Amino acid sequence: AQSVTQLDSHVSVSEGTPVLLRCNYSSSYSPSLFWYVQHPNKGLQLLLKYTSAATLVKGINGFEAEFKKSETSFHLTKPSAHMSDAAEYFCVVSSSGYALNFGKGTSLLVTP
Amino acid sequence: AAGVIQSPRHLIKEKRETATLKCYPIPRHDTVYWYQQGPGQDPQFLISFYEKMQSDKGSIPDRFSAQQFSDYHSELNMSSLELGDSALYFCASSGGTGKGTEAFFGQGTRLTVV
Repeated sequence: AQSVTQLDSHVSVSEGTPVLLRCNYSSSYSPSLFWYVQHPNKGLQLLLKYTSAATLVKGINGFEAEFKKSETSFHLTKPSAHMSDAAEYFCVVSSSGYALNFGKGTSLLVTP
Repeated sequence: AAGVIQSPRHLIKEKRETATLKCYPIPRHDTVYWYQQGPGQDPQFLISFYEKMQSDKGSIPDRFSAQQFSDYHSELNMSSLELGDSALYFCASSGGTGKGTEAFFGQGTRLTVV
């Protein structure tokens, strides 16, 4: 079975400072991993995905994530937070290609 | 670019009523997924279809059923609605189910059961 654990339910950063949202995965197979973002009352938008190519994945809006098999982690980072980054972030794992299993989400708050 | 279309966007039903949610995938996408997201919760996988056949099943109640039609659109039928069914229902589509296939999500249908 595949699952993800998002280690922080809430993260607060100041505008212009780095963002780190942590995710650990558990999978019986070589997983595909995704980060999705959900702004209030909006749908889910894909930020980036890992599919066993490069371990450092670059996504939209300056986000990137590094797949570390030895640590079973796929943490999301951004060098400098913007106010518009405030949203809910979901780490997602897919092994079969069918069901996507979501983490519990991390709420990112960006303060001026 | 065309996205996943869900209708209706909002729906209010009374307990024990029936609701039908519709999902129109991105053109040429052959896989549809349904998710339920309760207030403050992460999306929970309900069911998926590939080429009009059920491909995977998650935590979908027996009161719910779904199907994918010949034009690849999908409908989620919900009967004997309960207050706890109030949630945001997302549909997503993808072009195939290969490793790393990205799922594109619709805006969701917000169902309120009163």
